[in-house]
Amino acid sequence: DVVMTQSPLSLPVTLGQPASISCRSSQSLVHSDGNTYLNWFQQRPGQSPRRLIYEVSNRDSGVPDRFSGSGSGTDFTLQISRVEAEDVGVYYCMQGTHWPRWTFGQGTKVEIK
Amino acid sequence: EVQLVESGGGLVQPGGSLRLSCAASGFTFRSHAMSWVRQAPGKGLEWVSAIHASGGSTYYADSVKGRFTISRDNSKNTLDLQMNSLRAEDTAIYYCVPDTGDCWGQGTLVTVSS
Repeated sequence: DVVMTQSPLSLPVTLGQPASISCRSSQSLVHSDGNTYLNWFQQRPGQSPRRLIYEVSNRDSGVPDRFSGSGSGTDFTLQISRVEAEDVGVYYCMQGTHWPRWTFGQGTKVEIK
Repeated sequence: EVQLVESGGGLVQPGGSLRLSCAASGFTFRSHAMSWVRQAPGKGLEWVSAIHASGGSTYYADSVKGRFTISRDNSKNTLDLQMNSLRAEDTAIYYCVPDTGDCWGQGTLVTVSS
C-alpha cells in the first residue's frame, strides 16, 4: 500500500499567521489518466471529515480561499494563508490514485498558540 | 443535497457480529463506487472496504479480510457492511464515503468490548 507521511504532526499557530502542512507519498500519485488524486481533509473537533482540496489544488465549494494546495508526484503541501479560530482541528492528506486502497496521512493537529 | 446516513453501530462482545448500513441520497448512487472508512477513538482514518458501482467487485483491508463483507443495493441506494468475528481493535466510528470522497456522513460508532 502507498504510505502517506505528514509533517508536522502538531502545529501550534498564531491567529492571522500562515501555516503549512507537508504530505509525502511512498509512490507517485500520478494516475494513468494523468490526474493526481491527492485530497486534503479537515476534521474539526467532534465532527466528520470534510474535504477541502481535491486533485492537489482544487478547493471544494464553500472552502475559504485562504486554503490552498500544491505539489506534484510524491510531495504535496496544504497552506493556510492566515489562520482563523475556526481552522482548529486535524488535517489529513489522502491518496485516491491507487483506488480502492485509499490511504491517509497520520493527521496534523492545528491549534492556536 | 448529498446525504449519507450510517446506522447499525452499537456495543458488541468480542467474537460477535454487527451489520452496518448506509442510506445515500442526493446523488446517482448506482454510478459511484463506495467505501467504508473507520476511525478508532482518538486515532486517524483507515480505509476498510470498497465496492464497485455495480457491486461486481469488492475489496478489503488486510485487517478485516475474511471477517467483513461489503454489499450494496442500488435499487434502494444502500450500502452495507457485515462485520463478523469482531475484535477490540475494530472499535471505531465507521463512515461510508463515495469514490469522489467529497461527502461524509456522521458515522456510526462500533464498540467491541466485553
